[in-house]
Amino acid sequence: DAGITQSPRHKVTETGTPVTLRCHQTENHRYMYWYRQDPGHGLRLIHYSYGVKDTDKGEVSDGYSVSRSKTEDFLLTLESATSSQTSVYFCAIIPDSGNTIYFGEGSWLTVV
Amino acid sequence: DQQVKQNSPSLSVQEGRISILNCDYTNSMFDYFLWYKKYPAEGPTFLISISSIKDKNEDGRFTVFLNKSAKHLSLHIVPSQPGDSAVYFCAASANSNYQLIWGAGTKLIIKP
Repeated sequence: DAGITQSPRHKVTETGTPVTLRCHQTENHRYMYWYRQDPGHGLRLIHYSYGVKDTDKGEVSDGYSVSRSKTEDFLLTLESATSSQTSVYFCAIIPDSGNTIYFGEGSWLTVV
Repeated sequence: DQQVKQNSPSLSVQEGRISILNCDYTNSMFDYFLWYKKYPAEGPTFLISISSIKDKNEDGRFTVFLNKSAKHLSLHIVPSQPGDSAVYFCAASANSNYQLIWGAGTKLIIKP
């Protein structure tokens, strides 16, 4: 258990509405990640953070923004949700002492 | 351009036999490889890893083999058990950076 909590775990939202997913960790790790998982694509990196207010884009960042104002929280925002953003979103951390990534339990987002 | 490929979307194996999951990569800069296991409605969990300085790593029933010249790695599970039924992802990173490139996953089904 890497102490990662994602919320909400399930959400249905309408096209065009903003959505924020929260990732909370209890171990004060520097590196945090947001991935999406879709059939046939495996896990794709959206954004990542290497410290408070230090974030960078991953391979599928269009339509997403992130914020990290505290070490323990990493927020993923869909400014205007689209149906193509229907997916499962996973938050992850890498402990400062290692290079193994640990995932949260996922947030299922459906955009209708 | 998929840098990490898992060409078998699914694999069915009899309980007690060996399961072999394969992964190919194209980037010769990758120097660290990991296997993750994912059950439905859960986040991926770390299974086993291997550094490019090794060609084999073993952990209980799980062994990962790395063939650098062929840019190929495989995960062997012996003996296969019903609880091994899951989706398996391979992932790779280069130069100890914290960004992983993921394969699309292979669904392993263990038949009783």
